[in-house]
Amino acid sequence: QKEVEQDPGPLSVPEGAIVSLNCTYSNSAFQYFMWYRQYSRKGPELLMYTYSSGNKEDGRFTAQVDKSSKYISLFIRDSQPSDSATYLCAMSVRGNEKLTFGTGTRLTIIP
Amino acid sequence: GAVVSQHPSRVICKSGTSVKIECRSLDFQATTMFWYRQFPKQSLMLMATSNEGSKATYEQGVEKDKFLINHASLTLSTLTVTSAHPEDSSFYICSANPGQNQPQHFGDGTRLSIL
Repeated sequence: QKEVEQDPGPLSVPEGAIVSLNCTYSNSAFQYFMWYRQYSRKGPELLMYTYSSGNKEDGRFTAQVDKSSKYISLFIRDSQPSDSATYLCAMSVRGNEKLTFGTGTRLTIIP
Repeated sequence: GAVVSQHPSRVICKSGTSVKIECRSLDFQATTMFWYRQFPKQSLMLMATSNEGSKATYEQGVEKDKFLINHASLTLSTLTVTSAHPEDSSFYICSANPGQNQPQHFGDGTRLSIL
């Protein structure tokens, strides 16, 4: 079993829809949770960063962490074609240490 | 803020050549930087952790004599792929934390092609 599980997709949704992306993990020691967006042939771009459990909202993006279920989510509202990319979840036990990544979900927003 | 710059973005060279990739933190100091490798349609694989002023820590299975890492200053880490061969062709990405308990920020990667 992988330490972090993420559905690789691909996931295609129409423009304007709400997108839900998820990861599950097995290491209960993880405390720092991140979502990155990666466009083709580019480095990952930080979208959301959460410490411990709870929700965080930034514009059209909402990140949720449920440590009791070892489950994290990223919601994208009013999805746009420019949101088409690969979304990677990542997590770590302590700050400033190596990350454990999910496999990434390829998302396509259809105009 | 928290910009990480990577250079070059693309390298094409002959087998047997050594290639150096630079990773710079432009607006913060980083005592630790990370080097990743990514194959097409796969996630990032950590190769090594670069520590300023000391030796890098390599992940299991990564040849330290093949992938030389130098972190000579608080804003620069370099990865040198020595005597590169076609199987070393990949996308190499670096990252750094702008502060304690801050998330990692990534460079834009270097696409290495060995002919």
